[in-house]
Amino acid sequence: GENVEQHPSTLSVQEGDSAVIKCTYSDSASNYFPWYKQELGKGPQLIIDIRSNVGEKKDQRIAVTLNKTAKHFSLHITETQPEDSAVYFCAARTMEYGNKLVFGAGTILRVKS
Amino acid sequence: DAGVTQSPTHLIKTRGQHVTLRCSPISGHKSVSWYQQVLGQGPQFIFQYYEKEERGRGNFPDRFSARQFPNYSSELNVNALLLGDSALYLCASSLFGSTTDTQYFGPGTRLTVL
Repeated sequence: GENVEQHPSTLSVQEGDSAVIKCTYSDSASNYFPWYKQELGKGPQLIIDIRSNVGEKKDQRIAVTLNKTAKHFSLHITETQPEDSAVYFCAARTMEYGNKLVFGAGTILRVKS
Repeated sequence: DAGVTQSPTHLIKTRGQHVTLRCSPISGHKSVSWYQQVLGQGPQFIFQYYEKEERGRGNFPDRFSARQFPNYSSELNVNALLLGDSALYLCASSLFGSTTDTQYFGPGTRLTVL
């Protein structure tokens, strides 16, 4: 089945700097890759997603890139702000029964002001 | 518009008991998925339902069961609770549950088993 690895597990950046989180997946048939932000005590909130027919997608300070050949995708946050501090999860949607999302282990992002 | 709602917010049970968690999807969404999130880990898939039928099941024991009602709300049931069932249980809804549908998560139910 699908396996998603996420790095780094923790990331500290200075306010205004960029942050990059990387994920790799194992199932070449996976075709949908969302990123979620989870704040303490809350459910995951979708921040951006990309489908396998697209290589890059941007939404203001957030961008995601996908390399299908290498089976990896990355989240880029520019001009980080203290409110960006949270846990970020990448996920891959498999074609297996149930079209489930398989999540990475998460990255704790701390933005220092 | 209301997002995904879940009840209760928190729950404390003892080993061996049974629990029922509830979820209401976003209006117009017909698919509901359940995930378990243990502290410090990513969510793990338990079930997906679409139009009241099970469409997917993760690697969880038969003590876990679910159903979806005609109004598309859903229940997750866990029997014979174990300490290891302590987790945040998340419900996610999507329009059709297809491979590229976006899933929106609710706030979760925090289950503690003593």
